[in-house]
Amino acid sequence: GIQVEQSPPDLILQEGANSTLRCNFSDSVNNLQWFHQNPWGQLINLFYIPSGTKQNGRLSATTVATERYSLLYISSSQTTDSGVYFCAGGYNNNDMRFGAGTRLTVKP
Amino acid sequence: DTGVSQDPRHKITKRGQNVTFRCDPISEHNRLYWYRQTLGQGPEFLTYFQNEAQLEKSRLLSDRFSAERPKGSFSTLEIQRTEQGDSAMYLCASSSGQGPHEKLFFGSGTQLSVL
Repeated sequence: GIQVEQSPPDLILQEGANSTLRCNFSDSVNNLQWFHQNPWGQLINLFYIPSGTKQNGRLSATTVATERYSLLYISSSQTTDSGVYFCAGGYNNNDMRFGAGTRLTVKP
Repeated sequence: DTGVSQDPRHKITKRGQNVTFRCDPISEHNRLYWYRQTLGQGPEFLTYFQNEAQLEKSRLLSDRFSAERPKGSFSTLEIQRTEQGDSAMYLCASSSGQGPHEKLFFGSGTQLSVL
């Protein structure tokens, strides 16, 4: 199956800072999604982004499908951005593999 | 849109007991998925349904695990003869079913502790 590698595993930021999270895939995928898991365990879908660039407020994501990686950008971070960010990819929804996540802590 | 709902939020059981979890997907969603998440890891796919049909179950962890979606609406996941290694967060997700790959929407999960 597809291997998903996320970096960095942990990230500590001061409020207001920007950050970039990376996700590498061992094979091509046509289904790639980013999620945020808040401290209460709820997984929120941030982006469905098999290719190209999308933006949603302070968050944006870029996927370079030919090079099998995706980036999640967080600008002007806030304490509410804290949690674990997961990327997941596969060919269809029923074979998506999740990475181990990037744990983000934003300090006030 | 009330989101994906899971019940119970927490379950504590003794080893050897059976447990059942319920998931109510977003109302107009045809596809429903079950995942398991252990501490420090990403969710791991278990099984999924298209309406009432279970289309993938080879990745259920053992024959002690079973899932149903009898009327194509809510789903249940049952674990029989629980073991301590079953302790994990069990997550349910749904998607619209309009294509092979689309946004997944997750519930808050059921945290299982097996003593």
